[in-house]
Amino acid sequence: DSGVTQTPKHLITATGQRVTLRCSPRSGDLSVYWYQQSLDQGLQFLIQYYNGEERAKGNILERFSAQQFPDLHSELNLSSLELGDSALYFCASSWRGDSSYEQYFGPGTRLTVT
Amino acid sequence: AQSVAQPEDQVNVAEGNPLTVKCTYSVSGNPYLFWYVQYPNRGLQFLLKYITGDNLVKGSYGFEAEFNKSQTSFHLKKPSALVSDSALYFCAVPHWSGGYQKVTFGTGTKLQVIP
Repeated sequence: DSGVTQTPKHLITATGQRVTLRCSPRSGDLSVYWYQQSLDQGLQFLIQYYNGEERAKGNILERFSAQQFPDLHSELNLSSLELGDSALYFCASSWRGDSSYEQYFGPGTRLTVT
Repeated sequence: AQSVAQPEDQVNVAEGNPLTVKCTYSVSGNPYLFWYVQYPNRGLQFLLKYITGDNLVKGSYGFEAEFNKSQTSFHLKKPSALVSDSALYFCAVPHWSGGYQKVTFGTGTKLQVIP
């Protein structure tokens, strides 16, 4: 158990809808990262927050947004969902904002868009 | 661009034999390099990392990795494979891009240990 929790585990929704994925980092970790894992794209970095502020941005679509709250939990919002958004979404946390520190991954949320 | 490459989609090895999962990197300067493992239906787990110093890095579950600067490689190794080592393995490199520091993961190598 990494200490990182994600809810929900599974999510099935229709095209055009909006969903929110939630992540709680390990106790004491200030950074949260979001990743998308799909069969054809592999593991793609989406966005990173450090202590409530956006720190880095990867291949995140404009339809997607995230935030980190004062209690350090984070939410990833996905809107106007398309079939291609079906994937595993992971969050990870680390102690610092520096990517030279190892990350601890949650169990993921499997999103299915129908 | 900073990147890592995992040239093998899948590696098969018999239980008890040594295993190697390959990773090469393209990074300017002195790289930090990571290995992560993903068991079925689980998130990634950190195995080990190279920062500087000894070229042989020891990690979790008996794994080790050898940093080779001349060959720009960071191969993951284990002297004796277990069936329970069957999983997806990713190497990763942090790097600066667009003013931010990010982590790029390789495409992953599926390790199958045959009983």
